[in-house]
Amino acid sequence: QSVLTQPPSASGTPGQSVTISCSGSSSNIESNYVYWYQQFPGTAPKLLIYRNNQRPSGVPDRFSGSKSGTSASLAISGLRSEDEADYYCATWDDRLSGRVFGTGTKVTVL
Amino acid sequence: EVQLVESGGGLVQPGGSLRLSCAASGFTLSDFYMDWVRQAPGKGLEWVGRLRRKPNSYTTDYAASVKGRFTISRDDSQNSLYLQMNSLKTEDTAVYYCARTPEFYYYGMDVWGQGTTVTVFS
Repeated sequence: QSVLTQPPSASGTPGQSVTISCSGSSSNIESNYVYWYQQFPGTAPKLLIYRNNQRPSGVPDRFSGSKSGTSASLAISGLRSEDEADYYCATWDDRLSGRVFGTGTKVTVL
Repeated sequence: EVQLVESGGGLVQPGGSLRLSCAASGFTLSDFYMDWVRQAPGKGLEWVGRLRRKPNSYTTDYAASVKGRFTISRDDSQNSLYLQMNSLKTEDTAVYYCARTPEFYYYGMDVWGQGTTVTVFS
């Protein structure tokens, strides 16, 4: 039902890089800022990236965001065990006049 | 410490009503847009709605799934946000989070409450 599509899972070994994609459309990603959230089981989400590629203070520079056209990506470099969590992209959708979230990606550190 | 604390969740039958509260501390609620987000058991995040500030005429937006049934309001004097939920359905069962949505993060949600659980059962 979500208008933003993410792969259900991604994985890597410690030290590797992982990239999560977020696919949308002209009414959402292409024309609005993209945000990324990290969520651990049983806890509230945490803002990881705002304005496509900006990190709030305290977020390690291992996390980086990018956007091109109707898609966005979150890259995690130097993967650590503590990065094992669910990740969601989000943006505003002009057609729906509302915020939309991606389907979510579970990152596993092998 | 900047904090949001939700309350008011519980068990309710389909068709019933519930009012959630979100108390802010460590910052002035009136300076910010505020959003509600929910998460059904084992599912992803779903945006519920947004309430803007007084300079934006307290305008609101809602997800299609709750429009006409849910109402977001705020009491800036109490530094609190509310979510009135009417005509509840079983599919409204979820953990409900309130979140601060600052302009300085281009309306990304930077502070979240711990969540309050709503269960709609028949």
